[in-house]
Amino acid sequence: NAGVMQNPRHLVRRRGQEARLRCSPMKGHSHVYWYRQLPEEGLKFMVYLQKENIIDESGMPKERFSAEFPKEGPSILRIQQVVRGDSAAYFCASSRRVGANVLTFGAGSRLTVL
Amino acid sequence: DAKTTQPPSMDCAEGRAANLPCNHSTISGNEYVYWYRQIHSQGPQYIIHGLKNNETNEMASLIITEDRKSSTLILPHATLRDTAVYYCIVRVGDNNDMRFGAGTRLTVKP
Repeated sequence: NAGVMQNPRHLVRRRGQEARLRCSPMKGHSHVYWYRQLPEEGLKFMVYLQKENIIDESGMPKERFSAEFPKEGPSILRIQQVVRGDSAAYFCASSRRVGANVLTFGAGSRLTVL
Repeated sequence: DAKTTQPPSMDCAEGRAANLPCNHSTISGNEYVYWYRQIHSQGPQYIIHGLKNNETNEMASLIITEDRKSSTLILPHATLRDTAVYYCIVRVGDNNDMRFGAGTRLTVKP
């Protein structure tokens, strides 16, 4: 029973390029969450998705960032025209349902923008 | 607008109990208290959660005060591998989005 799978684990991009981070939730989980952690800082909530729906994107930057969780396939966090300030660890978590439920986190994707 | 307050850091001797406090004075009646930890730069790991009764599992115990305004996570016999940042979280809203604060950096010393 694989856990939450994130890839790539490490991604290097130059300023202005696009970054795509993928997250496959645990089997049976239909809720996905994305968090960002800047160096030496805490985790910041970005977005919460269910299959084909964005439920809460209050933590997403207004520009350049988007997320999706299609009916088939992994959830994608997309960052367009990356800047150095986007360098961070991006963690994905999944859960089975809403309510008193536990989030299971992946190992994270570390984005470095040169 | 953090809903929880934790000390920034704590030390604990190996083999002793680690007691990590958390204040959540504005908690609502239907909000749970969750504890996670993050070891170095790994993904956060769930530890335990509770509503109003004390809870215990193989990792830790959670003691919630009767008025629910504070709680304590107890690691009964801390090991060096328990060195991590521990996050106390009150679940916000109905969407199950967990908001992490700064947490407590626990250092277990030999």
